[in-house]
Amino acid sequence: GAGVSQSPSNKVTEKGKDVELRCDPISGHTALYWYRQSLGQGLEFLIYFQGNSAPDKSGLPSDRFSAERTGGSVSTLTIQRTQQEDSAVYLCASSWSSGGGGELFFGEGSRLTVL
Amino acid sequence: QQQVKQSPQSLIVQKGGISIINCAYENTAFDYFPWYQQFPGKGPALLIAIRPDVSEKKEGRFTISFNKSAKQFSLHIMDSQPGDSATYFCAARAGSARQLTFGSGTQLTVLP
Repeated sequence: GAGVSQSPSNKVTEKGKDVELRCDPISGHTALYWYRQSLGQGLEFLIYFQGNSAPDKSGLPSDRFSAERTGGSVSTLTIQRTQQEDSAVYLCASSWSSGGGGELFFGEGSRLTVL
Repeated sequence: QQQVKQSPQSLIVQKGGISIINCAYENTAFDYFPWYQQFPGKGPALLIAIRPDVSEKKEGRFTISFNKSAKQFSLHIMDSQPGDSATYFCAARAGSARQLTFGSGTQLTVLP
């Protein structure tokens, strides 16, 4: 498809389990972002990738969270030893560039529920 | 310093009315102010954006008003329609930054 694709769309897991969330950005987009949207909250920045540069991990809430982007395209967000407070919608976005007025194109998100 | 404060949290408007959502910021380095619209089950999508060199930008029924001295900006939806019912997020970015800082969102309901 032409848009940002995220999988799974829904994930229910037990506390303490690890989860992986996948993002396939729009072809040609060099910048990729992960945001977290909790119920009634805004979008919380998690991590940013730009080309082959080192990622900006400044928004990751703890060392249980990590992400990688392979071949400058697909990205995986990994949450280890999940906690109930990790329950949220995880949104991925991509753009042509990171600076200026680059429009972010968001996927539909992965809804994570930790029981 | 990096926060963007958005109000109200929810808004109910009659069809044909004007919807107004407000945002305020502290970081004077912010130089790009977009608004995103999100429908249930979908990701946010860019609606309209403004830079601080202008005080107003209009696209159809949607207008951003920007007050640089007050460090505030707002979204006005004229002739609001039920199809406008969605969550609206203001955001801001400093020229040197890479990510957008989002407000907490406003859930707009337009009654038929």
